[in-house]
Amino acid sequence: DIQMTQSPSSLSASVGDRVTITCRASQNIYSFLHWYQQKPGEAPKLLIFGASSLKSGVPSRFSGSGSGTDFTLTIDSLQPDDFATYYCQQSYSTPRTFGPGTKVEIK
Amino acid sequence: EVQLVESGGGLVQPGTSLRLSCAASGFAFDDFAMHWVRQAPGKGLEWVAGISSNSGSIVYADSVKGRFTISRDNAKTSLYLQMNSLRADDTAFYYCAKDMGPQAARPGWFDPWGPGTLVTVSS
Repeated sequence: DIQMTQSPSSLSASVGDRVTITCRASQNIYSFLHWYQQKPGEAPKLLIFGASSLKSGVPSRFSGSGSGTDFTLTIDSLQPDDFATYYCQQSYSTPRTFGPGTKVEIK
Repeated sequence: EVQLVESGGGLVQPGTSLRLSCAASGFAFDDFAMHWVRQAPGKGLEWVAGISSNSGSIVYADSVKGRFTISRDNAKTSLYLQMNSLRADDTAFYYCAKDMGPQAARPGWFDPWGPGTLVTVSS
């Protein structure tokens, strides 16, 4: 199975900050990497697919980059609605596996 | 609007069975693979099982293989998860999720997800 890691596991940031979350795969997954946002008590929601494609309706302050084994989710100008946990997920091979999550908290 | 709504969760004893359902609407259900993903309370996400649009291809996580069975009824636009020999570590919120294409074992993402149903396995 492909192992996914994320760093940091949590971070504190202020409204307006630029936030960067890193996801690493245990082997080359090309661009088969997707990002989700989950708020407490809610189901995850897709933000970015294919490493860098923004889902329709997702604010443009979210962006993704990377390929191979190293990927990044960036949130420009953090908004109050962005405080949540973020997960990466690979779909290069079955089983599809998720990173352990990064919790973005208010400073 | 695409909607997925899970049902069937509850409190059960170890070793018993439970069947989850997911009612889908708002899209051509028989064109898309579907999946179950679970999340233990306060923990991360774990993919459980996937089924192709025509039920021709089914895949499972090793942790549930031989105990869980995923199925679908395209006429009823519903997805199911039959869970047998339940264990305490099966306790989780179970989400159904739509794939981006018809094949469960091909690269794809989960969008959208249902609100989830909680399964608690405890004596």
